[in-house]
Amino acid sequence: DAGITQSPRHKVTETGTPVTLRCHQTENHRYMYWYRQDPGHGLRLIHYSYGVKDTDKGEVSDGYSVSRSKTEDFLLTLESATSSQTSVYFCAISESRGSSGANVLTFGAGSRLTVL
Amino acid sequence: AQTVTQSQPEMSVQEAETVTLSCTYDTSENNYYLFWYKQPPSRQMILVIRQEAYKQQNATENRFSVNFQKAAKSFSLKISDSQLGDTAMYFCAFISNFGNEKLTFGTGTRLTIIP
Repeated sequence: DAGITQSPRHKVTETGTPVTLRCHQTENHRYMYWYRQDPGHGLRLIHYSYGVKDTDKGEVSDGYSVSRSKTEDFLLTLESATSSQTSVYFCAISESRGSSGANVLTFGAGSRLTVL
Repeated sequence: AQTVTQSQPEMSVQEAETVTLSCTYDTSENNYYLFWYKQPPSRQMILVIRQEAYKQQNATENRFSVNFQKAAKSFSLKISDSQLGDTAMYFCAFISNFGNEKLTFGTGTRLTIIP
């Protein structure tokens, strides 16, 4: 299984403060993703990356930014956290790519963020 | 844009029985992949089974199998001989094979196995 770790696993912060979540992989995979999970919505894509310094927006990208300066790290930043960003955040990496293989995503353990 | 619909927010079944979770999707693509992920109370997302759209044969993994109906855009998950450890949220997901790396999820079905 791919090595993927998220930090922090839990965080409580106040409205208006900046927050950065880190996703670290040890597998040198090209694709990395950030999702948020909320009741009644399943998992929704925030941003994803297809290489170092190559990122793109998902369906719920407002209020979030990302950076990928190294293959192994994908950072998600909330510049000024709001209560609507209280959620569980999942990082994922793509384990295979190509016309001959299904694009299986492996997920981290999740980071629970509470914005008061 | 692709959409994935899971119309059963919650289901429950007696241990050892068989249960089927429904999933429908909408896409204009012809080649794509479908997945079922399981999320137990630990919150970890675990891949249960995957199906490649160009394969007519339904995927099977031990007690888990799918009924893939491409024309109807339906992708249901059957769990046979259900066990207490199957209690979890189950998410259906879709990804296109052509340059779109974004996995689209349904809203999930909460499955409870009753002892």
